[in-house]
Amino acid sequence: AQKVTQAQTEISVVEKEDVTLDCVYETRDTTYYLFWYKQPPSGELVFLIRRNSFDEQNEISGRYSWNFQKSTSSFNFTITASQVVDSAVYFCALSEANNNNDMRFGAGTRLTVKP
Amino acid sequence: EAEVAQSPRYKITEKSQAVAFWCDPISGHATLYWYRQILGQGPELLVQFQDESVVDDSQLPKDRFSAERLKGVDSTLKIQPAELGDSAMYLCASSVNLGLSYEQYFGPGTRLTVT
Repeated sequence: AQKVTQAQTEISVVEKEDVTLDCVYETRDTTYYLFWYKQPPSGELVFLIRRNSFDEQNEISGRYSWNFQKSTSSFNFTITASQVVDSAVYFCALSEANNNNDMRFGAGTRLTVKP
Repeated sequence: EAEVAQSPRYKITEKSQAVAFWCDPISGHATLYWYRQILGQGPELLVQFQDESVVDDSQLPKDRFSAERLKGVDSTLKIQPAELGDSAMYLCASSVNLGLSYEQYFGPGTRLTVT
């Protein structure tokens, strides 16, 4: 069964620090997608990135970057020069082709960026 | 920018009462999802529709929960009777179509409190 583990329950940093959010996944499928979502206090989940299992290229989008390593089943998310507006709960999720494409979320990591 | 609409945003009900939530997906999105998010946890899929048909409701507690998407557009999730353990955020999401390559867009959610 697919499983997503976000071991860090809460992280607190000071503005301008870099921070990495860890995500480890388990799957027996060879075709799957990994996602990161941001959930600000308002409640809606905001899509950040989708990565398929055949593309291990790291990605950078502004201050955000993602490191996908199949060898360690990890899909970590780094925020560079964090800002107060980055404060939110961040979820990693996995969707498998052989499991009806159901998206399974980790428990989330609450990031607090202090000024 | 098109958004997923949900109402109400907040609902307080007494246990054993009936409660209903409404979701209007992004126009043109064929796939609609209902998730339940218990405080401190990631969202869990309850039911998935493709147009008006249920694709997956394996995680829906069918003794008290029901969901419909009669015309393949908006959807209603009902709980009858509500129990204390149903207190959670109920999130609706939509995507263009089924399949791993289509990202899900989430609404703001309905926060349910059962007293």
